[in-house]
Amino acid sequence: EIVLTQSPATLPLSPGEGATLSCRASQSVSSYLAWYQQKPGQSPRLLIYDTGNRAPGIPARFSGSGSGTDFNLTISSLEPEDFAVYYCQQRRNGITFGQGTRLEIK
Amino acid sequence: QVQLQESGPGLVKPSETLSLTCNVSGDSITNSNCYWGWVRQSPGKGLEWIANIYSGGTTQYNPSLKSRVTIFLDKLKNQVSLKLTSVTAEDTAVYYCASRLPGTVMTSCYFDNWGQGTLVTVSS
Repeated sequence: EIVLTQSPATLPLSPGEGATLSCRASQSVSSYLAWYQQKPGQSPRLLIYDTGNRAPGIPARFSGSGSGTDFNLTISSLEPEDFAVYYCQQRRNGITFGQGTRLEIK
Repeated sequence: QVQLQESGPGLVKPSETLSLTCNVSGDSITNSNCYWGWVRQSPGKGLEWIANIYSGGTTQYNPSLKSRVTIFLDKLKNQVSLKLTSVTAEDTAVYYCASRLPGTVMTSCYFDNWGQGTLVTVSS
């Protein structure tokens, strides 16, 4: 089973600042890595798939990068609605999710 | 637009079997070349993948749950169903049905379509 480790667990930032969230895989997942956003009481929302492709309707301030075992989700300038929990997910071997990073308002 | 609606018992007793159904509307479950999946989330916790199934019947299971889980399709009812046996309190969670939207530019299989989830509590 491929384990995904996200860091940091919590990221306190202010609107307008940039954010970088990390996801490390226990073995290579090639480019089969996605990012989801989840707000309280809501279902997850796909942001990025195959490492760097934005899902339809996702704002350009969200971008993904990486390969193999190390991946990042970058939010260029935080909007108030971006404060949420973010999960990475691999589909290289079955499916696993990271434990999540909570992006909170500082 | 394809919509997913989960349904379940709400409350299940320990050691019993949990049965969940995902009703798919807006498209046939046989039209997708991607999988249909179930994901759960325990209260205050992260996402845990349970199982996937392709329209042709090929299945994938989370190794940690494989011995207790069965996913299957009801093509006549256009539903994706899940059975989880021998439940314990650790199976208390919101259970989501998820899929890839038809006609998306995304050729890979990721979950860009989610149901609202159904809460299942395991308690005597």
